[in-house]
Order: sequence, then structure tokens, then C-alpha cells
Amino acid sequence: SQKIEQNSEALNIQEGKTATLTCNYTNYSPAYLQWYRQDPGRGPVFLLLIRENEKEKRKERLKVTFDTTLKQSLFHITASQPADSATYLCALGRGGATNKLIFGTGTLLAVQP
Amino acid sequence: DTAVSQTPKYLVTQMGNDKSIKCEQNLGHDTMYWYKQDSKKFLKIMFSYNNKELIINETVPNRFSPKSPDKAHLNLHINSLELGDSAVYFCASSQDWQLLSYNEQFFGPGTRLTVL
Repeated sequence: SQKIEQNSEALNIQEGKTATLTCNYTNYSPAYLQWYRQDPGRGPVFLLLIRENEKEKRKERLKVTFDTTLKQSLFHITASQPADSATYLCALGRGGATNKLIFGTGTLLAVQP
Repeated sequence: DTAVSQTPKYLVTQMGNDKSIKCEQNLGHDTMYWYKQDSKKFLKIMFSYNNKELIINETVPNRFSPKSPDKAHLNLHINSLELGDSAVYFCASSQDWQLLSYNEQFFGPGTRLTVL
């Protein structure tokens, strides 16, 4: 069955550095991938979307890449701030008759001041 | 204005009881979803409805019965609650389930269900 794995441990980085979060998948061929942010006690909030024919997408300090050969997406936050501390979720989908998002396990990011 | 709202925010109940969670979206979206997030924060889809019609039912026990009276509302009724049903339930909506490669989902604040 399909498996979507994100950084298994929490990611701790210093303010101002670039945070890089990984999303690896197996037994799955997504047509698109979405990244969400979730704060404690709140619902996920959409950040970025990338399709299989796109290599990279950017939005302000955020960048996402999608490598269908490596079966991996990388999510970068440049010039990270303590306010970026949250859990980040990747979600994959492939369209078709049962189009839906399959979420990864999430990565807890802590940005230290 | 709240885009996707859920009530109640917290629900504590005894095993065997029946409970409902309500969800409303004011975004004019056609598709609504129910997700379950377990204690390990794993978020899994349960149901999706498009214009009041069931699209996805992810092998959820039939104790769970979603109902969509109109496309802005999707309620979740749970019969004979079990300990394993304890989780956070999220409602979400999107413009159209077939356009997820172009559009995001908007999530509600969640309902934390605790079954004692």
C-alpha cells in the first residue's frame, strides 16, 4: 500500500536559517502535492501546491520542489522565524475517479530565537 | 467571517452513546470532507461529499453516518461510540473534489472527541 513519510523527528533550527522538510512516498504516483501548516489546536492551513510537471514553486519565503524520479518533495522556509514553528503536512493526490488527498505523517518544526 | 466552522469544539461522552458534529462552510464550495486525526497527528480522510452526493467513503465503520442537507453543510453522526473513536475530527471544503490539483482544501477548527 502507499506510504508517505516525512521527517520522523522534530526539526530544530536557529532563527534566520533555512528549514528543509522532506516528504518521501512509495507505492504511489501522485499527480500533485500540497503542503499545509498546522498549529496546535487548529486545523491545517494550505501553503503551496505543485503539480507533477512542475519542478519548483515559490511563495515569499517558501519554496517547494517535486522530484518524481526520487519520489520526493522538499519544502524550504528561508530566513526562518520563531513564528514559523508548527507542524507541516504534505498531502498527495493523483486525480481520477477517487481524487483525494493522502496526508503524510507531519514534521514538527521548532525555530529557536 | 469564519470560512469553515464546526460545532462543538469539544465533545466528551461515554462509550455506547450517539453524538453528532456539525459543519458549515460559507465559501460557496461544492465539496466537503470529514477527516480523522489520531493521537499521532495522522490525518486520514473519512468521507467526501460533492453537492450533497457521497463521493468517497474510506471503509469507515457504518456507525459513522455523514449527512449533507445542502452543499454548505456536512454533519457527522456517530452511533455506539467506542474508545477508539477518540480523536480530533476535521471538516474541510474545496471548490471541487476533481480540481484538487489546482485548488486547496480549507479546514475547520476541529472537534476533539473524547470517549470515556
